[in-house]
Amino acid sequence: GENVEQHPSTLSVQEGDSAVIKCTYSDSASNYFPWYKQELGKRPQLIIDIRSNVGEKKDQRIAVTLNKTAKHFSLHITETQPEDSAVYFCAASSKKKSSGDKLTFGTGTRLAVRP
Amino acid sequence: NAGVTQTPKFQVLKTGQSMTLQCAQDMNHNSMYWYRQDPGMGLRLIYYSASEGTTDKGEVPNGYNVSRLNKREFSLRLESAAPSQTSVYFCASSVTGTGGLTKQYFGPGTRLTVT
Repeated sequence: GENVEQHPSTLSVQEGDSAVIKCTYSDSASNYFPWYKQELGKRPQLIIDIRSNVGEKKDQRIAVTLNKTAKHFSLHITETQPEDSAVYFCAASSKKKSSGDKLTFGTGTRLAVRP
Repeated sequence: NAGVTQTPKFQVLKTGQSMTLQCAQDMNHNSMYWYRQDPGMGLRLIYYSASEGTTDKGEVPNGYNVSRLNKREFSLRLESAAPSQTSVYFCASSVTGTGGLTKQYFGPGTRLTVT
């Protein structure tokens, strides 16, 4: 099955700096890569996603890049703000026609933005 | 439109007791999922249901059973709770597309403690 590794496990940045979180996946058939943000005590919320036929996608201060050859994808947050402090999860979708879409999650990155 | 709802929010069980976690979605989604979240382990899939009437095991199904009661509802049952099942349980739902993006939406979670 799919295996997703995520690094780093913790990340501390100064407000205004950029943050980068990296993930690798194992299944070359995976074709959908979402990122979720989870604030303390809350549910994971989708913040950005990318399909395997796209190399980069941006949404204001966040961007995701995908390198299919290397099976890497990364989340970039620019001009970080204290409200960006949360746990971020990457995931990869191993879509099976008969069984729907399953997501395999990375183990999470705890981002702390220092004011 | 409540999205994905879960009951209860919190539960304490003694070892050996049984209980059912309830999940419902009002987004007319085909697929539903149960995850558990443990510190440092990310979100691990317990069971999922690609459509009404079908269920499949995920990564960590032992000790659990599920029922897809109808399109809206997907319940998770612990027949004989063990301390290792202490965790936060999230239900999610998604639309199963044919090659399109399928976004998973999470419920608020159930915090379960087994003593």
